[in-house]
Amino acid sequence: DQQVKQNSPSLSVQEGRISILNCDYTNSMFDYFLWYKKYPAEGPTFLISISSIKDKNEDGRFTVFLNKSAKHLSLHIVPSQPGDSAVYFCAASGSARQLTFGSGTQLTVLP
Amino acid sequence: DAGVIQSPRHEVTEMGQEVTLRCKPISGHNSLFWYRQTMMRGLELLIYFNNNVPIDDSGMPEDRFSAKMPNASFSTLKIQPSEPRDSAVYFCASSYDGVAVYGYTFGSGTRLTVV
Repeated sequence: DQQVKQNSPSLSVQEGRISILNCDYTNSMFDYFLWYKKYPAEGPTFLISISSIKDKNEDGRFTVFLNKSAKHLSLHIVPSQPGDSAVYFCAASGSARQLTFGSGTQLTVLP
Repeated sequence: DAGVIQSPRHEVTEMGQEVTLRCKPISGHNSLFWYRQTMMRGLELLIYFNNNVPIDDSGMPEDRFSAKMPNASFSTLKIQPSEPRDSAVYFCASSYDGVAVYGYTFGSGTRLTVV
């Protein structure tokens, strides 16, 4: 059973608009959450993370929001750029310090 | 630093053949992970080493899969015999003490095709 779920396999957004990628988790023991970005023929690269003691973390155009009561996190990209087109993976970590990944969301930013 | 290095980048093999994937982690990292990416299941953790010792191999699909880490700078993932359903992209990642705060560093992956 999947402990980290990304229910939208794809998302298309117009350049300049906001992209919102969503992720749900089931394990209440997760205490760190991360987003990775993956381009074709490359490995995933770390984008941004958030600790369970926070509800928001911002880094430039990227903001991650965490709603612990709903076991939900989201990644906002504002403004979206064509170079942001990639697969985005949500990941979570608990006491074992291993990352559990979601299945990914393909973001396409249209010029 | 050259990052995590995986070889080969692409591998095409016939069903029943042995396949060996290789990984060189970042120097100084003491945790190494093998992941498999498929369309259906996304990124699945296969096995995790810490200080060259396998810690969790519960993700290894079956006895056909085996992984070794003979030293801190090298790991292999072997599939014998290979089957078409093993076709996927296999990633190696490394980190210091498995610290998830800053994430893992992934290699570029090996795309395996079993025909």
